[in-house]
Amino acid sequence: DAGVTQSPTHLIKTRGQQVTLRCSPKSGHDTVSWYQQALGQGPQFIFQYYEEEERQRGNFPDRFSGHQFPNYSSELNVNALLLGDSALYLCASSLVAGGYTGELFFGEGSRLTVL
Amino acid sequence: AQSVAQPEDQVNVAEGNPLTVKCTYSVSGNPYLFWYVQYPNRGLQFLLKYITGDNLVKGSYGFEAEFNKSQTSFHLKKPSALVSDSALYFCAVRDIKNTGFQKLVFGTGTRLLVSP
Repeated sequence: DAGVTQSPTHLIKTRGQQVTLRCSPKSGHDTVSWYQQALGQGPQFIFQYYEEEERQRGNFPDRFSGHQFPNYSSELNVNALLLGDSALYLCASSLVAGGYTGELFFGEGSRLTVL
Repeated sequence: AQSVAQPEDQVNVAEGNPLTVKCTYSVSGNPYLFWYVQYPNRGLQFLLKYITGDNLVKGSYGFEAEFNKSQTSFHLKKPSALVSDSALYFCAVRDIKNTGFQKLVFGTGTRLLVSP
């Protein structure tokens, strides 16, 4: 049973560039959430997708956008990169219906470095 | 808004000794509380959760957590620490919108260092 998979694992960009991160949820899961974890910090919620729509969003600017595909996989896009966007980006999946209690299953993350 | 606080940046314990990692919460309604562990350059791994029922929750790798409503705490415990338990530990609380969609709100994390 495949868990949550993310790609790429590491990437380096320069200020002003754009980046796309990808996530495949755990088998059977239909909801994908994205978190940003800056160095030494706890994960901060970016947004959540279900049925290909953004369902809730944290306190992140519009430079952060996302998408969910019919197969439940998801992308996180960040435009006009800033140095402060350097972080570990975590994807988490869950199941909306059927007794969901809030538990999330996380991928290994994509480490973004902005120079 | 739902929140959790982890008052200790780091906890040091000797191998074989009991360990406690502290977490306090602030919620409206009934709390759904979680502990996750993160090893270096890895994602978060689920340890345990409290939804309702018994105040002592048992989880993975010998960890347990004690829910205390009067003290609004949810401390993570283990009777005998291992060097391999050294990692970053996060407490989290469920935040549910009136739409029914949920997310987890995490604390700032506590680094556990177990010395041989």
